[in-house]
Amino acid sequence: NAGVMQNPRHLVRRRGQEARLRCSPMKGHSHVYWYRQLPEEGLKFMVYLQKENIIDESGMPKERFSAEFPKEGPSILRIQQVVRGDSAAYFCASSTETTNEKLFFGSGTQLSVL
Amino acid sequence: DAKTTQPTSMDCAEGRAANLPCNHSTISGNEYVYWYRQIHSQGPQYIIHGLKNNETNEMASLIITEDRKSSTLILPHATLRDTAVYYCIVRVTGYSSASKIIFGSGTRLSIRP
Repeated sequence: NAGVMQNPRHLVRRRGQEARLRCSPMKGHSHVYWYRQLPEEGLKFMVYLQKENIIDESGMPKERFSAEFPKEGPSILRIQQVVRGDSAAYFCASSTETTNEKLFFGSGTQLSVL
Repeated sequence: DAKTTQPTSMDCAEGRAANLPCNHSTISGNEYVYWYRQIHSQGPQYIIHGLKNNETNEMASLIITEDRKSSTLILPHATLRDTAVYYCIVRVTGYSSASKIIFGSGTRLSIRP
């Protein structure tokens, strides 16, 4: 049973470009969470999605950031017109819809904005 | 979710037991205690969780005080690979409350050879 898969592992973008980060949850998991970790800082919650629904986006910046989790395919975190401050590690986690759900994390995508 | 308090850093000798404390004095009756860790540059890893009884698995033991206001994560025989930031989190779980995990600052555990 493969774990949470994130790709790419490393992504380099120039200022103003778009970044697309993908997350394939574990098999059977219908909940996806995105977190951001700036250099030398803690993990900050961004958004929580179920299939085709955004449940909690209280941690998402108001502009340039969006997330989706379609019925088929991976969850996508999209950052438009990237700026240097977007450089960070972005982690995705998934869980089942059970009572004591544990979150399983991917290895992350390291985004570097030049 | 209830706030937790952990020491900023700790160290432990390799082969000894590492005991990581966590205070959660405002925990509610339906909130669980979870522990995760993050090894440098990797995604966080689930360790263990419990409600009020002590728990043990292949990675660690979790001791929760009777009043549930604090807990201790025990790594019985620490190795260099246990060097990581350890996060103590309390949260409600259940079908209607599946929600985000909020990570605090955690405890940076260093294992000495």
